[in-house]
Amino acid sequence: QQQVKQSPQSLIVQKGGISIINCAYENTAFDYFPWYQQFPGKGPALLIAIRPDVSEKKEGRFTISFNKSAKQFSLHIMDSQPGDSATYFCAASDKLSGGYNKLIFGAGTRLAVHP
Amino acid sequence: DAGVIQSPRHEVTEMGQEVTLRCKPISGHDYLFWYRQTMMRGLELLIYFNNNVPIDDSGMPEDRFSAKMPNASFSTLKIQPSEPRDSAVYFCASSFWPETQYFGPGTRLLVL
Repeated sequence: QQQVKQSPQSLIVQKGGISIINCAYENTAFDYFPWYQQFPGKGPALLIAIRPDVSEKKEGRFTISFNKSAKQFSLHIMDSQPGDSATYFCAASDKLSGGYNKLIFGAGTRLAVHP
Repeated sequence: DAGVIQSPRHEVTEMGQEVTLRCKPISGHDYLFWYRQTMMRGLELLIYFNNNVPIDDSGMPEDRFSAKMPNASFSTLKIQPSEPRDSAVYFCASSFWPETQYFGPGTRLLVL
């Protein structure tokens, strides 16, 4: 069962355009929503993250929009550049017994920004 | 800091052989995670440790997989015996707290 559903699977954007990747979740206990960026041959790296008490977070060209009632969140990349071409993963933090958390990852979106 | 270090970076082995993957976390990080990444299943958490103690191993596929963390600076993931369906990229990640993880470069495993 996929706890975090990510779409689209792949995305092609022209340089300077806006890239939008969406994620949806069911578990209302999730309390932290990071996005990771992965370049070919590398491990994922934390890009930006948000908690559900905030509807939007912006860091440079990257913005997370969060809709708690709809249980959806999205990553917007403004002025997309060829260097942004990578695979992007959304994730959600799930609580375990004993006060621990673990990340549940979406399936990933492969973004290609064409010059 | 050098980041999370994994070895080997590539491993090719034959079905039935034992495979050992190694990880050195970032110094000072209390959490260590092992993930497996495949095209079909995406990024899956296999096991994670806190202060060298396994916290959640529910993602370990079966008894052929085992993981240890004998000290704060070293962990291993062992597959014995290996099977072709174990072919994947295996990542180790570490963190000071579990929600902000730093991934290593991965070990690309091919089991023939």
